[in-house]
Amino acid sequence: GAVVSQHPSRVICKSGTSVKIECRSLDFQATTMFWYRQFPKQSLMLMATSNEGSKATYEQGVEKDKFLINHASLTLSTLTVTSAHPEDSSFYICSAASRDRPYEQYFGPGTRLTVT
Amino acid sequence: RKEVEQDPGPFNVPEGATVAFNCTYSNSASQSFFWYRQDCRKEPKLLMSVYSSGNEDGRFTAQLNRASQYISLLIRDSKLSDSATYLCVVNAPNQAGTALIFGKGTTLSVSS
Repeated sequence: GAVVSQHPSRVICKSGTSVKIECRSLDFQATTMFWYRQFPKQSLMLMATSNEGSKATYEQGVEKDKFLINHASLTLSTLTVTSAHPEDSSFYICSAASRDRPYEQYFGPGTRLTVT
Repeated sequence: RKEVEQDPGPFNVPEGATVAFNCTYSNSASQSFFWYRQDCRKEPKLLMSVYSSGNEDGRFTAQLNRASQYISLLIRDSKLSDSATYLCVVNAPNQAGTALIFGKGTTLSVSS
């Protein structure tokens, strides 16, 4: 159980375009979803936390107008990278937690974004 | 001081060896502690939660010392398949929801 999928697994886009990444919890209701970013040889850095039906809470230094997060249902959250730049190239990973086990986060397989 | 600090390694050990990883965390209000495993270019996977009394899962033993804000992971009888990066993770009680803070990870390489 506790499977989280992410789509796409890999995407290449041109500077200035927008990219949407989907995160789905397949067999449980994810009351909270998290979006992380990981640069090579670095730790996962939390970008934002989203609770279903609420606006996302962004970490300091993360531009909410650039990284749009929507968590419209208990099984789906999306991250849209707007006006992508090469420095946005990274590994984006989502995770999901249920209400009854809030500290156990299950991770999606990640999306590798390359902006050319 | 970094929020979660780990020795990056790499730890290069032969099969069958015992290896220990250490981790320190800065926020004394943290209540939940975990070890995750991350394979190259993959997502992290939960290895085990860490409880105050210490806990064991097969060849893996985790210890927590709240007074020293220190967490450890011991792997006995290392296997080739244990090669990965091990992430020390604590919850972030001052942030929204139940966010987790990840250490940079300790890389383990087990050779035959």
